[in-house]
Amino acid sequence: SQQGEEDPQALSIQEGENATMNCSYKTSINNLQWYRQNSGRGLVHLILIRSNEREKHSGRLRVTLDTSKKSSSLLITASRAADTASYFCATPAPGGFKTIFGAGTRLFVKA
Amino acid sequence: GAVVSQHPSWVICKSGTSVKIECRSLDFQATTMFWYRQFPKQSLMLMATSNEGSKATYEQGVEKDKFLINHASLTLSTLTVTSAHPEDSSFYICSAREIGGNSYEQYFGPGTRLTVT
Repeated sequence: SQQGEEDPQALSIQEGENATMNCSYKTSINNLQWYRQNSGRGLVHLILIRSNEREKHSGRLRVTLDTSKKSSSLLITASRAADTASYFCATPAPGGFKTIFGAGTRLFVKA
Repeated sequence: GAVVSQHPSWVICKSGTSVKIECRSLDFQATTMFWYRQFPKQSLMLMATSNEGSKATYEQGVEKDKFLINHASLTLSTLTVTSAHPEDSSFYICSAREIGGNSYEQYFGPGTRLTVT
């Protein structure tokens, strides 16, 4: 079963704009990860944020985590056409062994 | 490092036949591999956890007799879709956890697209 809900389901922006995707989850976690998936391809790991971190940066990516609200956001700054993909948050299932994926946000960046 | 491959990358089969998909960890050993299924424009749904040397653990609603999993070595897990039907058409992705690695780290294969006609 899915633990995370993401919004928006789809996002269309112009190149150069920022894209923000949100993820909510249901149970307590010790980390949250974001992945990217290009159409018909496998997953690429983007970033991991631990429960004791509130914000983390990696290049043009900025991830926040609010454990009190059980939510996370992924911000992609200065988007490029190559950022067009689906983005998923992933959290450990209760017990910590399995990984549960959110519904995903489909991002389309227009050149 | 930490590369996972899948073979084949895509396969078309006739209804009623069986299809085997391989998942290999190329440069590390994995006691645990996971199999996911992804329908178009949807998220990844965990199907089963494959454990080397023991029986796989299936998620609720996944038929173990239809989706046979064999994890015969520390670098190979196979998923066999038996008596495939058009509704089994999907994108199947595996992932692997490295022995001794972080509990949250898993490496994903590129996926296998199965089309059942």
